[in-house]
Amino acid sequence: DAGVIQSPRHEVTEMGQEVTLRCKPISGHNSLFWYRQTMMRGLELLIYFNNNVPIDDSGMPEDRFSAKMPNASFSTLKIQPSEPRDSAVYFCASSPRPGDQPQHFGDGTRLSIL
Amino acid sequence: GENVEQHPSTLSVQEGDSAVIKCTYSDSASNYFPWYKQELGKGPQLIIDIRSNVGEKKDQRIAVTLNKTAKHFSLHITETQPEDSAVYFCAASRSLNTGFQKLVFGTGTRLLVSP
Repeated sequence: DAGVIQSPRHEVTEMGQEVTLRCKPISGHNSLFWYRQTMMRGLELLIYFNNNVPIDDSGMPEDRFSAKMPNASFSTLKIQPSEPRDSAVYFCASSPRPGDQPQHFGDGTRLSIL
Repeated sequence: GENVEQHPSTLSVQEGDSAVIKCTYSDSASNYFPWYKQELGKGPQLIIDIRSNVGEKKDQRIAVTLNKTAKHFSLHITETQPEDSAVYFCAASRSLNTGFQKLVFGTGTRLLVSP
């Protein structure tokens, strides 16, 4: 039974480059969440989709961050241009319905911006 | 908005001892309280959750208690084992008018169980 799948697992790139993180939610789950985890700020919600539509993006830190969900089985989080302070672990999570818990997390993408 | 505080930040116990992690929340409208376990290089995994209409819930060696009046909830692990070593996060959420439940996480507790 496949869980939430994220790629790549690790990404190292130089500042100024575009970074694209990918997520495949659990089949049948209609809600998708992107989180960022850092030592300083812990786990923070960046954006939430329901039925492929962004519902709450108030956690997206800057215009350099954007997220899309073109279909029910795929989402991307893009950073352009990237900066060293964007270094973090980015998690994707999914749940069956908006108010449905729990959220199931992927194993994350560890992003390092040099 | 919601604020969740978690203590202690680190906890070391001997195998077989009990471990207790405590969290407080600020939003009295919060009604769902999950606990997640995060192992190195992995994403958070739900281990137990409780809703506001229940005061206590138990699953084998793990239990969670909720005190709505005091706005705090706790995770109890009995008969700890080395494989319980991980970082544990509490979270709180409430239903928003979009039907969405936004999880606000505590800062985490690093539990180390020594053989």
